[in-house]
Amino acid sequence: DAKTTQPPSMDCAEGRAANLPCNHSTISGNEYVYWYRQIHSQGPQYIIHGLKNNETNEMASLIITEDRKSSTLILPHATLRDTAVYYCIALAYSGAGSYQLTFGKGTKLSVIP
Amino acid sequence: DAEITQSPRHKITETGRQVTLACHQTWNHNNMFWYRQDLGHGLRLIHYSYGVHDTNKGEVSDGYSVSRSNTEDLPLTLESAASSQTSVYFCASSEPDTYGYTFGSGTRLTVV
Repeated sequence: DAKTTQPPSMDCAEGRAANLPCNHSTISGNEYVYWYRQIHSQGPQYIIHGLKNNETNEMASLIITEDRKSSTLILPHATLRDTAVYYCIALAYSGAGSYQLTFGKGTKLSVIP
Repeated sequence: DAEITQSPRHKITETGRQVTLACHQTWNHNNMFWYRQDLGHGLRLIHYSYGVHDTNKGEVSDGYSVSRSNTEDLPLTLESAASSQTSVYFCASSEPDTYGYTFGSGTRLTVV
């Protein structure tokens, strides 16, 4: 699976959009980009994933560049409860469906009142 | 509602003792995973299973074992607990075509 690079930390003002970048310049054509977050002391939580099209759900939006070498997770209106470590993971989906997530160090997002 | 539960939430044990951490999911997921999380190392995969009677070693499997006798449970056993196994342990489950893993709340294990 491709290596991903994320900034170690970011701040965001409460109510503003939080834009979390992820670089995955060696991503291959069959690798998806997954985002998880981990709020202090809790288990990681799935947020969103995508292959090449932009995706949106009730939690966030995922913008993937056309060359797929980078992506941005957008939390449209950050709240204090969004303070967490956010993990970007590139993962090949085999179609047989079995895979293992490998977590890096992620980005520590602090939402400031 | 379906859920994934880990027990106990906290445990203190002595070096050399056998310890089993429980993971139970009612999602009817085929895939189950165990991770450990330590400061400075992030989440590391210990063992995983893709179905009943299937088990596989992850990145840090030494000193741990799992068995899968049914769909719902994947207990993690520390054969002879060591201080280096003091950690927070997370269990997760997923379906092959899932939109993601579902994680439990974790077990904090202290080996003294």
